[in-house]
Amino acid sequence: AQKVTQAQTEISVVEKEDVTLDCVYETRDTTYYLFWYKQPPSGELVFLIRRNSFDEQNEISGRYSWNFQKSTSSFNFTITASQVVDSAVYFCALLTNDYKLSFGAGTTVTVRA
Amino acid sequence: NAGVTQTPKFQVLKTGQSMTLQCAQDMNHNSMYWYRQDPGMGLRLIYYSASEGTTDKGEVPNGYNVSRLNKREFSLRLESAAPSQTSVYFCASSRPSTGGVTGELFFGEGSRLTVL
Repeated sequence: AQKVTQAQTEISVVEKEDVTLDCVYETRDTTYYLFWYKQPPSGELVFLIRRNSFDEQNEISGRYSWNFQKSTSSFNFTITASQVVDSAVYFCALLTNDYKLSFGAGTTVTVRA
Repeated sequence: NAGVTQTPKFQVLKTGQSMTLQCAQDMNHNSMYWYRQDPGMGLRLIYYSASEGTTDKGEVPNGYNVSRLNKREFSLRLESAAPSQTSVYFCASSRPSTGGVTGELFFGEGSRLTVL
């Protein structure tokens, strides 16, 4: 069975601090995809990144960076120099070969000015 | 450029009533999904359809039925609504990437359902 665990329920930081969101996944598949989505207070789900299981390169996109470590089944997400607009719920998700997409419970990030 | 369209966006039902949530995508995607989102629970998969003509249960299928009417449309039906089905429902679709495993997912805006 596949599973995604986001152990941090809520994180609160002051603007300009860095924040790291943890994601640990479980699957028996050797081919799979990992995603991060952002859900701002407006409610829509915003795609941030997709990573396949064969690509362990870390990625940086502006203030966002992702650390994929297959050895520990983790796909962590860091926001550098956080801003108030980063306040949202962030979801990690796992897609396996049977096309089943499972989400973690989400981490609520609050950035205070 | 509609993407994934869900209707209705809001609905209030009484216990025992039935209703269908409609979802349509215009991106020629193969796979479609229905999720529910409840506070503190994240998104939980109700049903999904890997391709036209197939449907499979997700984590929380009880009380729901689905129909993959054609490649574009994937509907979710509540036959006898219960207060526990009060939730926000999201439909999503995805295209296959090279190699066969699905790529990026696109979500609808959500449908807020209240069952009294």
